[in-house]
Amino acid sequence: EVQLLESGEDLVQPGGSLRLSCAASGFTFSTYAMSWVRQAPGTGLEWVSVISGSGGTTYYADSVKGRFTISRDNSKNTLYLQMNSLRVEDTAVYYCARRVQGQRADYWGQGTLVTVSS
Amino acid sequence: QSALTQPASVSGSPGQSITISCTGTSSDVGAYNYVSWYQHYPGKAPKVMIYEVSNRPSGVSNRFSGSKSGNTASLTISGLQAEDEADYYCSSYTSSSTLGVFGGGTKLTVL
Repeated sequence: EVQLLESGEDLVQPGGSLRLSCAASGFTFSTYAMSWVRQAPGTGLEWVSVISGSGGTTYYADSVKGRFTISRDNSKNTLYLQMNSLRVEDTAVYYCARRVQGQRADYWGQGTLVTVSS
Repeated sequence: QSALTQPASVSGSPGQSITISCTGTSSDVGAYNYVSWYQHYPGKAPKVMIYEVSNRPSGVSNRFSGSKSGNTASLTISGLQAEDEADYYCSSYTSSSTLGVFGGGTKLTVL
C-alpha cells in the first residue's frame, strides 16, 4: 500500500525558514517523480514543485522560485521541501504527492500545515 | 498559468446525477487527454477518481465517470450518495507549464 506521510508543521514568522519532510513507503521510491502541492486557506490546489526520481531535475512554481528547494534522499525514501524567506501568502496545507505521467499525482499524503504570521 | 475554470458549487439530491465542468484552453484540456479529477475531504488526502479523461482507478465506484469535449472536461457522478459530498478538483497537462494546472475546485453538496 502506497503511503505518504508529511511532517514539519509549524508557525513561522515572515522571513523565516522551514523544512518539510515526506516519508514514502509501499513503492520503489527512486523510480517515481515526486511533488509538493499546496492549498492556501479558502483557495484551491497549486503545484509548488516537482523533482525527478533521481533528483537531478527540479521544477518550481514562479511564486516560490528562488525561495524554495525541493530535494530527496532515495536511501531514506524521503522527500523534502526547504522553504526560505517565507511570506504570509505561503500559509497553506502542503501535500506530498507521487507524480506520474501527464502532470498528475496518483497518491497524496494528508498534508501538513505551514502558517506564516508575525 | 491560469487555473482551469470550475463552478464553485454544485448540489444534488441522493440518487440524482450531477456533472461538474472543467474548462481550459487549447494549451491544456483541449490538447491533451491528461485530465484528472480528485475528490478531497477537508483534512484528508486528495484521491484520484478519474485519470486520462475517463479512466477509473481500481476501487473507484463506477458511479463516477469522466468525459471531454473540446476545451471542457466533465465529471459525472450518478446515483448521488451522502458520502460524495466533498470538494472536487480537475487537473490537466499543459504546454504552458512544466508543473501542470488545477481547476479552482467545486464544492459538491448532497441535499
